[in-house]
Amino acid sequence: AQSVTQPDIHITVSEGASLELRCNYSYGATPYLFWYVQSPGQGLQLLLKYFSGDTLVQGIKGFEAEFKRSQSSFNLRKPSVHWSDAAEYFCAVGAPGTASKLTFGTGTRLQVTL
Amino acid sequence: GAGVSQSPSNKVTEKGKDVELRCDPISGHTALYWYRQSLGQGLEFLIYFQGNSAPDKSGLPSDRFSAERTGGSVSTLTIQRTQQEDSAVYLCASSLSRRAYEQYFGPGTRLTVT
Repeated sequence: AQSVTQPDIHITVSEGASLELRCNYSYGATPYLFWYVQSPGQGLQLLLKYFSGDTLVQGIKGFEAEFKRSQSSFNLRKPSVHWSDAAEYFCAVGAPGTASKLTFGTGTRLQVTL
Repeated sequence: GAGVSQSPSNKVTEKGKDVELRCDPISGHTALYWYRQSLGQGLEFLIYFQGNSAPDKSGLPSDRFSAERTGGSVSTLTIQRTQQEDSAVYLCASSLSRRAYEQYFGPGTRLTVT
């Protein structure tokens, strides 16, 4: 069975600084990978996804993520954080060829200081 | 177009009572998922419906939990004889099909068992 680890529970960055949120997965092959964002009181919104091909994927709101097979990682990055990016971020993994239920990490809460 | 809607947004109930949580998926989406999000935890998969197929109930934590989906659209998650550990946010998501993988989430129902 697949699993996801987000080692950072809470991260604080200054507005305008760069951001990297870590995600490591465990799966026997190349999984489908996702990043979701959850703003307070909101449901989850998909930021980006990786299925195959180019290992650097672009998403909404200026986010990108890079799939690194050798490190079993799918880290989320943003060059310059905005105060509105403060939210909780979830990495998720899906198993190709099976039903599309996802396994989520425990999330990383991002705080942005002005 | 309309997104996934859930009702009620908040529910407070006494221990031992039954509760019903409702989810209206995006029109045309054939796959529907229920997740539970407990404080400090990631999303825990509960149950998954796809069209007229038998649901995947592998994530239901006990036989007090059940769900149905009528007419391939609206779904109801029922928790019988609620316990305090059932307190959580219950999230519903839908996707275009079983293999679409991109899930659209509702805002959730916050359940508090006193």
